[in-house]
Amino acid sequence: GAVVSQHPSWVICKSGTSVKIECRSLDFQATTMFWYRQFPKQSLMLMATSNEGSKATYEQGVEKDKFLINHASLTLSTLTVTSAHPEDSSFYICSAPSGGQGTDTQYFGPGTRLTVL
Amino acid sequence: RKEVEQDPGPFNVPEGATVAFNCTYSNSASQSFFWYRQDCRKEPKLLMSVYSSGNEDGRFTAQLNRASQYISLLIRDSKLSDSATYLCVVNRDDKIIFGKGTRLHILP
Repeated sequence: GAVVSQHPSWVICKSGTSVKIECRSLDFQATTMFWYRQFPKQSLMLMATSNEGSKATYEQGVEKDKFLINHASLTLSTLTVTSAHPEDSSFYICSAPSGGQGTDTQYFGPGTRLTVL
Repeated sequence: RKEVEQDPGPFNVPEGATVAFNCTYSNSASQSFFWYRQDCRKEPKLLMSVYSSGNEDGRFTAQLNRASQYISLLIRDSKLSDSATYLCVVNRDDKIIFGKGTRLHILP
């Protein structure tokens, strides 16, 4: 199946700093990618839809100025957690649809575990 | 009412037993359906797509019932390695909606 990578796989940072997470589709192009957050023992929550060449679409309750998304190319989307606080500590996962359409099978990156001290 | 609902479980099932999960969805415009499994502290991995005609992959069978708006997953001859959280995923208009997942524990 299609491969999606994320980098870094884990990061520890101090409160107030910004953290950038990369999501790459390795063997296919993705005009759309999705970003999720998952707190321990809870379900995945869709944060935003990343669109190549246009602005991201954020889910209700997700602050766009805090979670900056840039879909720089057809294989790369980045999520920057700005001014991170301990409550932002979570497991961040991206996904990309294999066929380019949102209704296609989603392939997930391995996730990035963020710990904010 | 949530758009996609699953029984959170946990389902505690002895090894070798058959177990079935259902997932209901509320929007009849939903277009595609999937089951994913997620192991603790890992990303979800696609288990199978779900079609109206039903599909089977080894010990796993998935079914879609559009009239009643639910999808099902059946696991036969369950193995210890089947222990995981099973997520129901529904796509509609380029939106992805996740169920909260059903936790399955296979007991030795």
